[in-house]
Amino acid sequence: QKEVEQDPGPLSVPEGAIVSLNCTYSNSAFQYFMWYRQYSRKGPELLMYTYSSGNKEDGRFTAQVDKSSKYISLFIRDSQPSDSATYLCAMSAGGKLIFGQGTELSVKP
Amino acid sequence: GAVVSQHPSRVICKSGTSVKIECRSLDFQATTMFWYRQFPKQSLMLMATSNEGSKATYEQGVEKDKFLINHASLTLSTLTVTSAHPEDSSFYICSAVSGRDSSYEQYFGPGTRLTVT
Repeated sequence: QKEVEQDPGPLSVPEGAIVSLNCTYSNSAFQYFMWYRQYSRKGPELLMYTYSSGNKEDGRFTAQVDKSSKYISLFIRDSQPSDSATYLCAMSAGGKLIFGQGTELSVKP
Repeated sequence: GAVVSQHPSRVICKSGTSVKIECRSLDFQATTMFWYRQFPKQSLMLMATSNEGSKATYEQGVEKDKFLINHASLTLSTLTVTSAHPEDSSFYICSAVSGRDSSYEQYFGPGTRLTVT
């Protein structure tokens, strides 16, 4: 079993839709939870991070962490074609990042 | 701020040759740099952790004699792929952190695409 599981998609939605991206994990030691966005052939860009359980909102993006269920989510409201990218969840304990496989998102105009 | 560069962005080499990839933090001093490898449609896999002035720590299954890492200064780390083979073809990405305990503050470079023919 992988430490971090993420549905690779691809996920295709119409412009303006609410997108829900999710990851599950098995290591209860993870304390930091991140979401990265990666455009094709580019390095990942940090979107959001949360420490422990709870919600965090930044503009159209909301990150949720449920440590009791070992489940994290990223919601994108009013999705735009420019949001089309691969979204990777990542988790950390002890300084190393463990990434999910990434979900490929396509937002159609 | 917090810009990380990589050079080259793309390299093609013949099987058996060595290739060096540079990772630089442009506007901050990086106490720690990480090297990742990413195959198509797959996640980033950590290869090694590099601390300035000390030997790199390699992840299980990564050959340290094949992937040589040097972190000679607070702004530069290099990854040398020695005796490259076609199976080493991949997207190599570095990241850098400036804080000792801020594991979430990894700033990623744009990546280097290596093709071994």
